[in-house]
Amino acid sequence: SAVISQKPSRDICQRGTSLTIQCQVDSQVTMMFWYRQQPGQSLTLIATANQGSEATYESGFVIDKFPISRPNLTFSTLTVSNMSPEDSSIYLCSVGRGSTYNEQFFGPGTRLTVL
Amino acid sequence: AQSVTQLDSHVSVSEGTPVLLRCNYSSSYSPSLFWYVQHPNKGLQLLLKYTSAATLVKGINGFEAEFKKSETSFHLTKPSAHMSDAAEYFCVVSSGGNMLTFGGGTRLMVKP
Repeated sequence: SAVISQKPSRDICQRGTSLTIQCQVDSQVTMMFWYRQQPGQSLTLIATANQGSEATYESGFVIDKFPISRPNLTFSTLTVSNMSPEDSSIYLCSVGRGSTYNEQFFGPGTRLTVL
Repeated sequence: AQSVTQLDSHVSVSEGTPVLLRCNYSSSYSPSLFWYVQHPNKGLQLLLKYTSAATLVKGINGFEAEFKKSETSFHLTKPSAHMSDAAEYFCVVSSGGNMLTFGGGTRLMVKP
């Protein structure tokens, strides 16, 4: 498994502002993923981030709202832009291992509250 | 296409009694299946995984799951519940790629 850290662990933000969440891994990984977990809900994949290429977004998520950076093999950021209360969620990053990268290990999450 | 249905949103057991968390999946290809656990205010931890080897999979903390293709099920069991097992459990499917589809989750409550 990998050791994954996220910053910040939680934040309270005002609507209309943006927050950048950092994800740091203790080893080099090819595939990183960003998920959203809305209150009381399951996890939904936002995007897949490979180093050196543009992130691939899932249906319902767009780059203007959730820009992602992947500058190297151990780090990624997710920005939640122009926030509204509906963006209040836990945001989790994960790294993929295995031949198809489907064995994923998750960071502790960032709990975001938008007022 | 792939999907996962966790049949119970809440399960309550007494400490020391067996645990059964039910999961049914739908997949166009031979799936990989996972169970994750999420304790309050903690990240997700991988409990166990099935990837087309033995159909009975043993995981951490005494949990195991059996892959039944004919029933498209991957139920999670534990012979004896412990108070520390109280958490949210997610059944997850992956079909031939890196995309994971999560079930809705089952909250396990353990009574003393």
